Amino acid sequence: GQNIDQPTEMTATEGAIVQINCTYQTSGFNGLFWYQQHAGEAPTFLSYNVLDGLEEKGRFSSFLSRSKGYSYLLLKELQMKDSASYLCAAPSGGYQKVTFGTGTKLQVIP
Amino acid sequence: NAGVTQTPKFRVLKTGQSMTLLCAQDMNHEYMYWYRQDPGMGLRLIHYSVGEGTTAKGEVPDGYNVSRLKKQNFLLGLESAAPSQTSVYFCASSLDTYNEQFFGPGTRLTVL
Repeated sequence: GQNIDQPTEMTATEGAIVQINCTYQTSGFNGLFWYQQHAGEAPTFLSYNVLDGLEEKGRFSSFLSRSKGYSYLLLKELQMKDSASYLCAAPSGGYQKVTFGTGTKLQVIP
Repeated sequence: NAGVTQTPKFRVLKTGQSMTLLCAQDMNHEYMYWYRQDPGMGLRLIHYSVGEGTTAKGEVPDGYNVSRLKKQNFLLGLESAAPSQTSVYFCASSLDTYNEQFFGPGTRLTVL
C-alpha cells in the first residue's frame, strides 16, 4: 500500500500563509487528496490533484510534483477557523481504497 | 439529501458485548468504507465495499465484520467488543477511488 508522510503539528499566525507538506510513494501513483477535519467532526474534501502543478481554490491551493512524490497544501490569509487537521490521502492497494496520512494539526494563533 | 448518516452517534459497551453500526448513504455511491480514528493514528481502513454484495478487508479488519446487502447501507459488526476497539468510527462513500469521499458524522464507541 501507500506510505504517506506529513508533519504532525504546525502553528501559524492569523493572516499569514502556511504550507503543509505531504510525501508519498511514487510507484503506482494515481492522484492525491487533501481533506480538512475540525476537532470532533468528520473530514471534508478539499482537493484532488492528478497532474503536476498548482491548483487554486480561493484561499486554499494544492500543489503536486509526481516525479518527486511530493504535494503541499497552501493556506493564505489564515483565519482562526482554519485551525484543524489536514489529511493527505492517496489511492492504493489495487486502487479500490484510499490510504490516509496521520494528518497535520494546524493551530492558528492571533 | 441527507448524504451519509451513521447510527448510533455514541455508544458504551462492556467487554464481550456485541453491536452493529449502521451507515446509510443516499447518493447512489458504489464504494463504501469503514474507518476508525484514534489519536495519533489517523484514519485506518477497517473494511470496504465496491458494490452491493461485495466486501473486502482493509488495514485493521480483525474483530470486525461487515455486510452490504443493499447498495445504500453498509453495516459494521463487533461480535465481542474489546477495550482496544474504543475509538471513533467513520463511514464514508464515494463514486469510486478517484472521487472525493463523503463522510458520516462518526460514532464514538467506548468499550469498558
